[in-house]
Amino acid sequence: EIVMTQSPATLSVSPGERATLSCRASQNVSSNLAWYQHKPGQAPRLLIYGASTRATGIPARFSGSGSGTEFTLTISSLQSEDFAVYYCQQYNNWPPLYTFGQGTKLEIK
Amino acid sequence: EVQLVESGGGLVQPGGSLRLSCAASGFTFSNYDMHWVRQATGKGLEWVSSIGTAGDTYYPGSVKGRFTISRENAKNSLYLQMNSLRAGDTAVYYCARGHNWNHFDNWGQGTLVTVSS
Repeated sequence: EIVMTQSPATLSVSPGERATLSCRASQNVSSNLAWYQHKPGQAPRLLIYGASTRATGIPARFSGSGSGTEFTLTISSLQSEDFAVYYCQQYNNWPPLYTFGQGTKLEIK
Repeated sequence: EVQLVESGGGLVQPGGSLRLSCAASGFTFSNYDMHWVRQATGKGLEWVSSIGTAGDTYYPGSVKGRFTISRENAKNSLYLQMNSLRAGDTAVYYCARGHNWNHFDNWGQGTLVTVSS
């Protein structure tokens, strides 16, 4: 099983500042990585797939980068609605064996 | 607009069974792989099961042999039959639409399953 490790567990950032979230895979997943935003009581929301492609309707302040085992989600200028938990997910296996990171909680500083 | 609405959650005793449903609308359900993902309180997301357009199914080891995913395309519905439930299965269960076995592009709001005596 591919283990996904996110860091930090919690990130405190002020509105308007930049946030950088990291995700590491225990083995090479190429660009088969997605990022999701999850707020309490809501459905998770796809932000990024293919490591760097923004999903439909996602603002340009969200960007993803990386390949292989190291990935980054950057939010360039935090808005109040961006404070949430963020998960990375790899989908590099066949048969499918999807794994998620443990999440990074982005909180207001 | 894509909509996924889960139902069927509730309180069940250890060893019991429960069947979750997911009603899909706003897209051609039969054309998509579909998935269940769960989140225990205070924990992260965990993949639970997947089903392809041809009815092929996949599970992680934690639920294999206890859970069964199925779909009924005529009713635009996805199901998860959960047997031999354990306290560790307590979680919010989400239905998600897959994109060619890659990322999950739409999710429901979830249904809570509590396994307790």
